[in-house]
Amino acid sequence: DGGITQSPKYLFRKEGQNVTLSCEQNLNHDAMYWYRQDPGQGLRLIYYSQIVNDFQKGDIAEGYSVSREKKESFPLTVTSAQKNPTAFYLCASSIGGAVSYNEQFFGPGTRLTVL
Amino acid sequence: SQQGEEDPQALSIQEGENATMNCSYKTSINNLQWYRQNSGRGLVHLILIRSNEREKHSGRLRVTLDTSKKSSSLLITASRAADTASYFCATDVREGGSEKLVFGKGTKLTVNP
Repeated sequence: DGGITQSPKYLFRKEGQNVTLSCEQNLNHDAMYWYRQDPGQGLRLIYYSQIVNDFQKGDIAEGYSVSREKKESFPLTVTSAQKNPTAFYLCASSIGGAVSYNEQFFGPGTRLTVL
Repeated sequence: SQQGEEDPQALSIQEGENATMNCSYKTSINNLQWYRQNSGRGLVHLILIRSNEREKHSGRLRVTLDTSKKSSSLLITASRAADTASYFCATDVREGGSEKLVFGKGTKLTVNP
């Protein structure tokens, strides 16, 4: 089955720890995205990557880091510098090219809670 | 940067009724997309309407776009309990030579059996 997967589904972190959220896709998509969703809110873009070995900051990149070493994978690290990391994190992918012309496919999300 | 805003924030209807959600945006767009999110899950793409289109249908979904008013509406006809979800509009925003999708805060639809 083609799709986009995220792991883990739930993640608990102690203050001061870095954690890495996994995102994998087998859709052969060039573009991948990370969003953050807070309760009752829309999605906010953290980072995106249009091609392997290249990525750009989104609207709320501070306290986060990413890598794109493989087309299929776009892991997100939430660092201790992120002041309020408790949120629902969504990864998405699209075929690439103009963002506005292509639908994005979303993973099931990772709920991160800071203890 | 907030581009799209959905209205109403929440909507509760009975099964079989129609549900209408609206989206307003601020700057010119190429296309507008609607997504659905079941509670605690990822988003699912519903429909994309281009800026030169006025109306588009997909099954029980009907989307309209009025670029002069910078607004779009999503109509779900003959709603079912399974339509209970949050619905988001997404529009393209160009900043600093790059382009991204910006999502609104969504309309939470509850369809009562």
